[in-house]
Amino acid sequence: NSKVIQTPRYLVKGQGQKAKMRCIPEKGHPVVFWYQQNKNNEFKFLINFQNQEVLQQIDMTEKRFSAECPSNSPCSLEIQSSEAGDSALYLCASSLSTGNTLYFGEGSRLIVV
Amino acid sequence: GQQVKQSSPSLTVQEGGILILNCDYENDMFDYFAWYKKYPDNSPTLLISVRSNVDKREDGRFTVFLNKSGKHFSLHITASQPEDTAVYLCAAGVGTGSKLSFGKGAKLTVSP
Repeated sequence: NSKVIQTPRYLVKGQGQKAKMRCIPEKGHPVVFWYQQNKNNEFKFLINFQNQEVLQQIDMTEKRFSAECPSNSPCSLEIQSSEAGDSALYLCASSLSTGNTLYFGEGSRLIVV
Repeated sequence: GQQVKQSSPSLTVQEGGILILNCDYENDMFDYFAWYKKYPDNSPTLLISVRSNVDKREDGRFTVFLNKSGKHFSLHITASQPEDTAVYLCAAGVGTGSKLSFGKGAKLTVSP
């Protein structure tokens, strides 16, 4: 069973609606990642944090996505205005800062209708 | 573009057989290479990994080989078992605590 907790497991949104997903990383892991697994099974990196600071992110994430990892609260990934192409499985993972192993949650599946 | 590429999206091997999964990468800076295993409806979990200072790492039936000059790494599975049936994703990264770039995955079926 995954120790990275993601909610909700499924969400259905209309185009233009906001979609928000949450992630509680494994205890003691300061680094959190968000990936998008699309219908072609590609794992696209979106953004990662160390504690509350953004380490890396892609252009798409800067423009339509917002993400944060506040202290003492779940991390979150929010799509401001959902598009059909955003339909995917969003995977959160966490790791130690001194390691490379990613521990994945079970994902939040977003369907944009 | 995709930084890590897996060939052979689907493979079948008989139980007890040997299997090789391949992965090519583009980024010279990658110094960490890994294989993840994913069962249907489950999230990926790390199977085996290697740093660039070695060219081989063995863990039981699983061995990863790294060819840095060829920008290529592979996973060898010996004595295949039905429970090896899964999707195998290769991944590579730079340093520690940083993002991994994943391949698209290869679906392996081990037939009894």
